[in-house]
Amino acid sequence: RKEVEQDPGPFNVPEGATVAFNCTYSNSASQSFFWYRQDCRKEPKLLMSVYSSGNEDGRFTAQLNRASQYISLLIRDSKLSDSATYLCVVLTGGFKTIFGAGTRLFVKA
Amino acid sequence: GAVVSQHPSRVICKSGTSVKIECRSLDFQATTMFWYRQFPKQSLMLMATSNEGSKATYEQGVEKDKFLINHASLTLSTLTVTSAHPEDSSFYICSAREKWDTSGTYEQYFGPGTRLTVT
Repeated sequence: RKEVEQDPGPFNVPEGATVAFNCTYSNSASQSFFWYRQDCRKEPKLLMSVYSSGNEDGRFTAQLNRASQYISLLIRDSKLSDSATYLCVVLTGGFKTIFGAGTRLFVKA
Repeated sequence: GAVVSQHPSRVICKSGTSVKIECRSLDFQATTMFWYRQFPKQSLMLMATSNEGSKATYEQGVEKDKFLINHASLTLSTLTVTSAHPEDSSFYICSAREKWDTSGTYEQYFGPGTRLTVT
């Protein structure tokens, strides 16, 4: 079993749609969680950290469920510019950063 | 925000030669740097973790004699791919970690990546 698993993609959605990604992790001792965004042939960039109480940043909402060991990312009112690969990232107790395989999102006009 | 640079951004080399990739943290001190490899349509795979002044810790399956990592200072780490072969062709990304706040939360910044093509 992979340490971090994400929804298989790609997701194809129209502009304005709401889309949600899920990610599960296997190490219950994982400490921190993040969502990164990666554009084609570019380095990943931090989108948002995921806090236990859930957090929101504009159109993006992240949730963490430690009991079920999953995190989620919700994007509301999708824009064309949201098209990218979204990477679920888990920081383990040994401070290793583990990336999920990523979920491709295509937002179409 | 913090910036991490990599050089070169793109390199083409012949099979059997060695290639060195530099990773620099430009405006912060990075006690820990990471090297990742990404094959097309796959996620980043951690190759090794290096702390300044000590030997790198390699992930399982990564040959330490083939991928030499030197973290000589708090702002510079290098990855040398020795005796490169076509299967080493990949996108190599470094990352540097900066301590974020007093709780010990870390912010991690990524370099722009180096695309290596071995012919």
